[in-house]
Amino acid sequence: EVQLVESGGGLVQPGGSLRLSCAASGFPFSDYWMHWVRQVPGKGLVWVSRIDSDGSSTSDADPVRGRFTISRDNAKSTLYLQMNNLRVEDTAVYYCVRPSRVGASVRSYYYYGMDVWGQGTTVTVSS
Amino acid sequence: QSVLTQPPSVSGAPGQRVTISCTGSASNIGAGYDVHWYLQVPGTAPRILISGNNNRRSGVPDRFSGSKSGTSASLAISGLQTEDEADYYCQSYDTSLSAWVFGGGTKLTVL
Repeated sequence: EVQLVESGGGLVQPGGSLRLSCAASGFPFSDYWMHWVRQVPGKGLVWVSRIDSDGSSTSDADPVRGRFTISRDNAKSTLYLQMNNLRVEDTAVYYCVRPSRVGASVRSYYYYGMDVWGQGTTVTVSS
Repeated sequence: QSVLTQPPSVSGAPGQRVTISCTGSASNIGAGYDVHWYLQVPGTAPRILISGNNNRRSGVPDRFSGSKSGTSASLAISGLQTEDEADYYCQSYDTSLSAWVFGGGTKLTVL
């Protein structure tokens, strides 16, 4: 069974740090780009970061650039999100997501849908 | 303010047909990037319904269909059922932002 399981969320003060982890199983993790997507409770989905298959290339959304770092350990089939200098507005459920080319019109990760989602881990930034 | 614009809510009676629009721009949908649709029951993770504009994913009833034209896309749901009540999101890629982008979400109510 294809599965993503996030962990590492919790309560942290503004300016603090957290590292989220996502354990992948049931598929060849090292073959896939991976994303982090977040959702403020009651609000919409927002893309946060992505990493390519071997970890050599990453990109981040403007609100987190310079504060968050996405990384991966393919030997452990694990995705990470290091979050530094956290702000109140970073409070959200964070999802680990695997894209898939199933149904895509072009064979490029920029055209792929977000196929597999973890259950999410909650990050609360508050004093 | 989401890059892709969806109506906040739509509603319909059981058995009726509803459509949810997703309006983008020349740097995302209009640039040819695929549009994908997700369903989310509150308190659970999203799941993909439609990928590549109009391809239903495994297990998705044929009551759900997607389309794309110009800078917009639509999700149509026919034969509404009470279990269709959920939040629906569209998603694409934006080349100007170099970012994957979502619509703000549409809450479907089955009256």
